[in-house]
Amino acid sequence: GAVVSQHPSWVICKSGTSVKIECRSLDFQATTMFWYRQFPKQSLMLMATSNEGSKATYEQGVEKDKFLINHASLTLSTLTVTSAHPEDSSFYICSARRSGGVRNEQFFGPGTRLTVL
Amino acid sequence: AQKVTQAQTEISVVEKEDVTLDCVYETRDTTYYLFWYKQPPSGELVFLIRRNSFDEQNEISGRYSWNFQKSTSSFNFTITASQVVDSAVYFCALSGPQGGSEKLVFGKGTKLTVNP
Repeated sequence: GAVVSQHPSWVICKSGTSVKIECRSLDFQATTMFWYRQFPKQSLMLMATSNEGSKATYEQGVEKDKFLINHASLTLSTLTVTSAHPEDSSFYICSARRSGGVRNEQFFGPGTRLTVL
Repeated sequence: AQKVTQAQTEISVVEKEDVTLDCVYETRDTTYYLFWYKQPPSGELVFLIRRNSFDEQNEISGRYSWNFQKSTSSFNFTITASQVVDSAVYFCALSGPQGGSEKLVFGKGTKLTVNP
């Protein structure tokens, strides 16, 4: 149990276009999901915390108008990179916390590799 | 603020050697959680262990062992008799009740290469 999927696993897009990444909890309900970004050979940095039915909480320095997060159901959160630029190329990883589950336990998705040309 | 330091950027060992990955953390919380994750070249994070701040017992799981010492704010990870499949980037992470947030703060990672 506790499987998290991401779609797509990789995407290449042109500069200026928008890209949507989905994060799904397949066998559990997730009140809270987290979005991380990892640049090559660097660590994971939290971008935002997504709560079902409410606005996401963004970390300092993350543009909320550029990285749109929607957590419309207990099993799905989406991250849309709007007007993507080459500097947005990165590995995006989501994680999900099971509703009513053990505190501080997150299940990670396999990640989405975004390349902006 | 919470911080995790993994001073070793890269480690290279020969198969069957033991290797210890260091992790030092900083937090003002009295309740917090420490984690280790493995990230193979595929990129997917593999959960290894979760330890809360009240449990200082060392843990062993097969070839893996963890040494948690609150006195030195360290949570080191040892792989015994390393194997080529252990080659990956290993991250230490910290979370705590920071205003209710459960966000994970990651160290910069240690890249382990196990050579045959």
